[in-house]
Amino acid sequence: DARVTQTPRHKVTEMGQEVTMRCQPILGHNTVFWYRQTMMQGLELLAYFRNRAPLDDSGMPKDRFSAEMPDATLATLKIQPSEPRDSAVYFCASGSPSGQGPLRDTQYFGPGTRLTVL
Amino acid sequence: QKEVEQDPGPLSVPEGAIVSLNCTYSNSAFQYFMWYRQYSRKGPELLMYTYSSGNKEDGRFTAQVDKSSKYISLFIRDSQPSDSATYLCAMSGPNTGFQKLVFGTGTRLLVSP
Repeated sequence: DARVTQTPRHKVTEMGQEVTMRCQPILGHNTVFWYRQTMMQGLELLAYFRNRAPLDDSGMPKDRFSAEMPDATLATLKIQPSEPRDSAVYFCASGSPSGQGPLRDTQYFGPGTRLTVL
Repeated sequence: QKEVEQDPGPLSVPEGAIVSLNCTYSNSAFQYFMWYRQYSRKGPELLMYTYSSGNKEDGRFTAQVDKSSKYISLFIRDSQPSDSATYLCAMSGPNTGFQKLVFGTGTRLLVSP
């Protein structure tokens, strides 16, 4: 049963600390998305990669957030320094070409990392 | 104002009821419309998607798009307690990049036995 895995599932940290979240996409998927979900804003796209290259990170605060794909099986999202307003659930999704016109990727979401910054 | 608006609910219905979930949007360039279901403490999962206007049916679920009104709907027939979840609409189009989905904030649905 192929699925996206994310670690850690929960993270509590103090303001100013560095936070690293990891995602293992489904084997064979070549697109990876990072989302943030809050009650007020809903689900927001932070960044996405195709074939490990960043395609768009316009949704990400550049001064403190960074996203990378060191290899095809690992994507990371880092926050340094973390702030209380970063508290949210962070989802990773991986995509596979669906072969259905311009909508190339069906996105499969991981279980999320619940981040609390005190 | 958000590009995609969705009533947060909760929407409470008895088992067996027909459920109607809706989203409105402002960006006329959106062409793909999706519905995701999200159970508590889980990631969203794709239920259905439609391209442009029209209806699409899959079992108990029917997705409807009215581009002239910028309004989309998801109907659930014979609702079950297992349908209790948050339903998110999502959209994309050529000007946002088809892979960049814009989500509504979700409607929480509660189906009581």
